[in-house]
Amino acid sequence: GAVVSQHPSWVICKSGTSVKIECRSLDFQATTMFWYRQFPKQSLMLMATSNEGSKATYEQGVEKDKFLINHASLTLSTLTVTSAHPEDSSFYICSASRDRASPLHFGNGTRLTVT
Amino acid sequence: GENVEQHPSTLSVQEGDSAVIKCTYSDSASNYFPWYKQELGKRPQLIIDIRSNVGEKKDQRIAVTLNKTAKHFSLHITETQPEDSAVYFCAASSDFGNEKLTFGTGTRLTIIP
Repeated sequence: GAVVSQHPSWVICKSGTSVKIECRSLDFQATTMFWYRQFPKQSLMLMATSNEGSKATYEQGVEKDKFLINHASLTLSTLTVTSAHPEDSSFYICSASRDRASPLHFGNGTRLTVT
Repeated sequence: GENVEQHPSTLSVQEGDSAVIKCTYSDSASNYFPWYKQELGKRPQLIIDIRSNVGEKKDQRIAVTLNKTAKHFSLHITETQPEDSAVYFCAASSDFGNEKLTFGTGTRLTIIP
């Protein structure tokens, strides 16, 4: 099946710094990837849709200048959390599908802790 | 936009019994309904999905039913085993595959040995 890989799996950073998270489709090309955020014991909330070669589409309430998304190739999307604060601490997960006839598969997630 | 509600939030069943988790959705245009299982600290794993042109789908001990008129769908797990313990999320989408999913709030299922 489709494999989606995320890196890093966990990261601890200081408040005010920026963190980049990578999402790769390993055995297929993905023109669209999705970034989700999950707080402890809560559901997955869609943050943005990453489109290869164009601007990302952000969900209502998600600051596009804070969560920078770049989808420069068909196998890589990156999420950069800029000027991170403790309230940004969360589990960030990306997802992608092989094609429109295939289900979405999730990356292994990145646990971000901002101190 | 789409709104997905999921019940119950927690569910405990004896090993070997059945578990049922229910979800309702609001957008009549939704036509794809996957279920994901998530173990602590890990990625959600797709366990079964159903499209709106069928009313029921089964895969071994897992089944999903869909009632489009009532806009609700359910996950059924029979002969539960301890390894079924996890958080289960339902989701809905108006397009299959390359479209965003709206997730339910999750059900923490505990199988009691």
